[in-house]
Amino acid sequence: EAGVTQFPSHSVIEKGQTVTLRCDPISGHDNLYWYRRVMGKEIKFLLHFVKESKQDESGMPNNRFLAERTGGTYSTLKVQPAELEDSGVYFCASSPMTGTSYNEQFFGPGTRLTVL
Amino acid sequence: AQTVTQSQPEMSVQEAETVTLSCTYDTSESDYYLFWYKQPPSRQMILVIRQEAYKQQNATENRFSVNFQKAAKSFSLKISDSQLGDAAMYFCAYRNTGNQFYFGTGTSLTVIP
Repeated sequence: EAGVTQFPSHSVIEKGQTVTLRCDPISGHDNLYWYRRVMGKEIKFLLHFVKESKQDESGMPNNRFLAERTGGTYSTLKVQPAELEDSGVYFCASSPMTGTSYNEQFFGPGTRLTVL
Repeated sequence: AQTVTQSQPEMSVQEAETVTLSCTYDTSESDYYLFWYKQPPSRQMILVIRQEAYKQQNATENRFSVNFQKAAKSFSLKISDSQLGDAAMYFCAYRNTGNQFYFGTGTSLTVIP
C-alpha cells in the first residue's frame, strides 16, 4: 500500500511569490489534514478535509493560504503571496473514516518551504 | 485548549541502553488518545505507539513502552535496548474526541554507538 506522498520535497521561493504544495493521501482515506512546523516549534494543525469538504480550517493562518481537495482525492495548499514567516515544513496526513486505523493519522514526508 | 509539552529538545542514549522521553499534556476531556510519532532523518513520520486514555494498562510495542499517568497528564516513552535506527525526532501527540491532533515541539534523540 502506497503511503501519503507530498510534492515537492523542497521549495525555495522569494517573498511575494506563489507556491503550491500537493498531497496525495493513501487511497481510500477520506480524511486529509494539513499541518505546519516552523523550525523549533510544535507541529500545528492547519485544516481538515473530509472528502472534498473542509471540515475544520480553524488553523489556517490567514487568507494568503488556500487549500483545495477537488474530487476528494489529492489536495493542494497554495500560499499567495508568500511571506518570510511562512517558511517551515508542511505535513500532510490522512486517515480512513472507519476501521482499526481510524484513530491514527498517516503522515507524508513533508514539504520544506523556504521563503527568502 | 489542549496543549502538549515536550520539555527535552534533545536527548542522547548509548546504544543498547534505555532512554525515556517525557511528555505532558493539558486537557479537560476524559476520553482521548495519545501517540508517539517518530520522524527519522529521511523525514517520513511514523507511528511508534498509541495509548487510549480509558485503558489503564500501559501500551507496549516491542522495545517501546509508555508510562501513562492519566491523573498527572503524563505520557512518557521508554525505549529499551536502544539501536542506531532509533535516532530520530520524536513527537508526542494528543488526539481529542473531535479527531483533532495536537503535537509537542519534539525531542531529537541521538543514539551513540
